[in-house]
Amino acid sequence: DQQVKQNSPSLSVQEGRISILNCDYTNSMFDYFLWYKKYPAEGPTFLISISSIKDKNEDGRFTVFLNKSAKHLSLHIVPSQPGDSAVYFCAASVQGAQKLVFGQGTRLTINP
Amino acid sequence: NAGVMQNPRHLVRRRGQEARLRCSPMKGHSHVYWYRQLPEEGLKFMVYLQKENIIDESGMPKERFSAEFPKEGPSILRIQQVVRGDSAAYFCASSPDPGGEQYFGPGTRLTVT
Repeated sequence: DQQVKQNSPSLSVQEGRISILNCDYTNSMFDYFLWYKKYPAEGPTFLISISSIKDKNEDGRFTVFLNKSAKHLSLHIVPSQPGDSAVYFCAASVQGAQKLVFGQGTRLTINP
Repeated sequence: NAGVMQNPRHLVRRRGQEARLRCSPMKGHSHVYWYRQLPEEGLKFMVYLQKENIIDESGMPKERFSAEFPKEGPSILRIQQVVRGDSAAYFCASSPDPGGEQYFGPGTRLTVT
């Protein structure tokens, strides 16, 4: 059972424009959500997180939005830069539990 | 401050051999997590350990797989009698406290021939 889903395997965006990556989840017990970025042959790197008590969290060019009623979150990157080209993973957890449940990932390509 | 270290980075084993994957957490981190990533899939939780204790092994296959995090030395993920389906990238993460942000190592890519 795929509790965290990223339905777009890939996304291509022009440099300077906004990148929007989406993630859906099914487990209503999840209350903490994270985005990780992964380059080839490297481990995932933490980007930004959000607790279920918030609906938005911003850090520089990265903003995560959470819609609890729709069980949906999104990551906005603006403006997109070539170095943002990577695979992005959405992850979720239940606070108090330590394991992260990951989506399948979305490969983002930023075109010059 | 060195990050999470994993070795080897690449490991090739024949079917039936044993694979040992090592993970040294970040300095000051006493919580270690192992995840497995099959091709074209996301990372799947395997096991969570604290020093000398297995806290959650709900993602570990029931047979052939074991993990430890001794008082001294790295955490070890051990796979006995490997099969082709064990071929994957194995990632270790560490955190300073339970539920804290997890920092990932570069992974060990296991290939079973």
